[in-house]
Amino acid sequence: GAVVSQHPSRVICKSGTSVKIECRSLDFQATTMFWYRQFPKQSLMLMATSNEGSKATYEQGVEKDKFLINHASLTLSTLTVTSAHPEDSSFYICSATRGQITDTQYFGPGTRLTVL
Amino acid sequence: ILNVEQSPQSLHVQEGDSTNFTCSFPSSNFYALHWYRWETAKSPEALFVMTLNGDEKKKGRISATLNTKEGYSYLYIKGSQPEDSATYLCAHTARSNDYKLSFGAGTTVTVRA
Repeated sequence: GAVVSQHPSRVICKSGTSVKIECRSLDFQATTMFWYRQFPKQSLMLMATSNEGSKATYEQGVEKDKFLINHASLTLSTLTVTSAHPEDSSFYICSATRGQITDTQYFGPGTRLTVL
Repeated sequence: ILNVEQSPQSLHVQEGDSTNFTCSFPSSNFYALHWYRWETAKSPEALFVMTLNGDEKKKGRISATLNTKEGYSYLYIKGSQPEDSATYLCAHTARSNDYKLSFGAGTTVTVRA
């Protein structure tokens, strides 16, 4: 199979703090990883695409200084929400592909972030 | 932004009954249509990838069809079982959007025993 893990599954933090979310491909090397966000009753929205060893490509409207993405190895990508505010509260989910962007994306179970 | 619509938003089905629901998407620059099954507290699981008009894919009691000319796909569940309860997501990729997944909001299926 192709298993992707995400940690933590749930996090509550105070406004102004930073939160790091990890996404790992457990049994394959992930050339490309993706970060999505989902607000209640809405669809998954792509935030950014990252390739190992290079800078992430952010979607329009996503602040790169607020959502820092590091894809340091072929099995790990991290998303850091900096200076979090209540409006950043959302469900964040990552995915990974073995090869091309057109390949099947394998998803993690997601992280529920609540900013107080 | 490519709009992918799923209908209905939710449905309830009696165990043993069959059901189906729709995903509609822009037909221009079409590349592929993906279906995922997402159970609560788990990772979305890839069900099907379809690329050709008229494609039909089947996995056990679940099947899907694709019409790229009119921009829709149906997902069918035959003889629904409680374990089929999940949210089913479709996602569309297009050359014009660099092959990124554009998701619908999902159809949540609840199978009543």
